[in-house]
Amino acid sequence: AQRVTQPEKLLSVFKGAPVELKCNYSYSGSPELFWYVQYSRQRLQLLLRHISRESIKGFTADLNKGETSFHLKKPFAQEEDSAMYYCALSGSTGGFKTIFGAGTRLFVKA
Amino acid sequence: EAGVAQSPRYKIIEKRQSVAFWCNPISGHATLYWYQQILGQGPKLLIQFQNNGVVDDSQLPKDRFSAERLKGVDSTLKIQPAKLEDSAVYLCASSQNRDWATIYFGEGSWLTVV
Repeated sequence: AQRVTQPEKLLSVFKGAPVELKCNYSYSGSPELFWYVQYSRQRLQLLLRHISRESIKGFTADLNKGETSFHLKKPFAQEEDSAMYYCALSGSTGGFKTIFGAGTRLFVKA
Repeated sequence: EAGVAQSPRYKIIEKRQSVAFWCNPISGHATLYWYQQILGQGPKLLIQFQNNGVVDDSQLPKDRFSAERLKGVDSTLKIQPAKLEDSAVYLCASSQNRDWATIYFGEGSWLTVV
């Protein structure tokens, strides 16, 4: 079964501290993995995708196929990073659709 | 580039009443999605259109939910009759053929069923 699991509902860190938001997935095939972010009063938007191998707003994510994980990391959290983060998976198995995890709320304290 | 437009933004109805949500995707985007997001959960795909054809509606409660995308552009999602558990944000999203996996979301339509 296709599934995206984000084990933490809430993650609270101090400004300047490293942050890691966890994402594990279950998928039979080769999925594409994404992180979406929703800032307060804004729409859900794409943050990054694994095939781009980019760093967006200081965030990076590495796809680990052995551990079926796609954790989101940032070495030094900023207050403006406070938001809701969703891990998502897309693929052709079962149809070309995207499924989302339950989300992790990141709160960066001053 | 204009984003995905949705209306109404907020709706409160009584159970057993009906409600309809409208969505206008980004111009040129062939794929349109309706997601349901219940408080504390991630978005759940209800239905996916490719142009005006349905690609996936496996999680759409067809006894009460219906959706259409006439002419392959705008879409309407209807709930009739509504139940308390339908209280959620209904997100419309779209993507283009050459990059179908990058999804652009609307601001959502917040439904409260009382």
